[in-house]
Amino acid sequence: AQSVTQLDSHVSVSEGTPVLLRCNYSSSYSPSLFWYVQHPNKGLQLLLKYTSAATLVKGINGFEAEFKKSETSFHLTKPSAHMSDAAEYFCVVRGNDYKLSFGAGTTVTVRA
Amino acid sequence: DADVTQTPRNRITKTGKRIMLECSQTKGHDRMYWYRQDPGLGLRLIYYSFDVKDINKGEISDGYSVSRQAQAKFSLSLESAIPNQTALYFCATSDPRQGAETQYFGPGTRLLVL
Repeated sequence: AQSVTQLDSHVSVSEGTPVLLRCNYSSSYSPSLFWYVQHPNKGLQLLLKYTSAATLVKGINGFEAEFKKSETSFHLTKPSAHMSDAAEYFCVVRGNDYKLSFGAGTTVTVRA
Repeated sequence: DADVTQTPRNRITKTGKRIMLECSQTKGHDRMYWYRQDPGLGLRLIYYSFDVKDINKGEISDGYSVSRQAQAKFSLSLESAIPNQTALYFCATSDPRQGAETQYFGPGTRLLVL
């Protein structure tokens, strides 16, 4: 079975500083991995996805993630945080049964 | 995503009541899903449907039922609501022809069972 673990339940950064959200995955085969973002009182929006092509994946709003098989990681980064990045972020893995398994989520707070 | 809509957006009900949450989509996707979100647990799959004649249980289907009335409509019912079904419920759709089969989520329904 496939699963993901988000290593931080809450991350607080200052505006203009880098953001790092950590995610480790467990899968018996080459996984499809996603990051979704949920802004307050909104649905989930896809940030980016990895599908065994390039290991560095660029997404919307300046986010990117790097797939590292040796570390079983798929960390999400952004070089400079903006106030609008305050939200909850979910790392997600898709199994070969097409179902998604979600991490517990990381809440990002951005300080002015 | 405006292509996936959920009604109602908020609902308060009492223990023992039957309620229905509805999901409609204009994306033309065959696959639809119902999830619930609880703080600290991420999203968990309740039911999913790969086409109109296909219904499958997810990891937490007890106490729930679904109906796929058409390609565009997928309803979730709580036959006899209980307080631990208080949660945020999301509907999602996907197209298996898309690479990695991205799921697209509705805005959610916030349910409170008293």
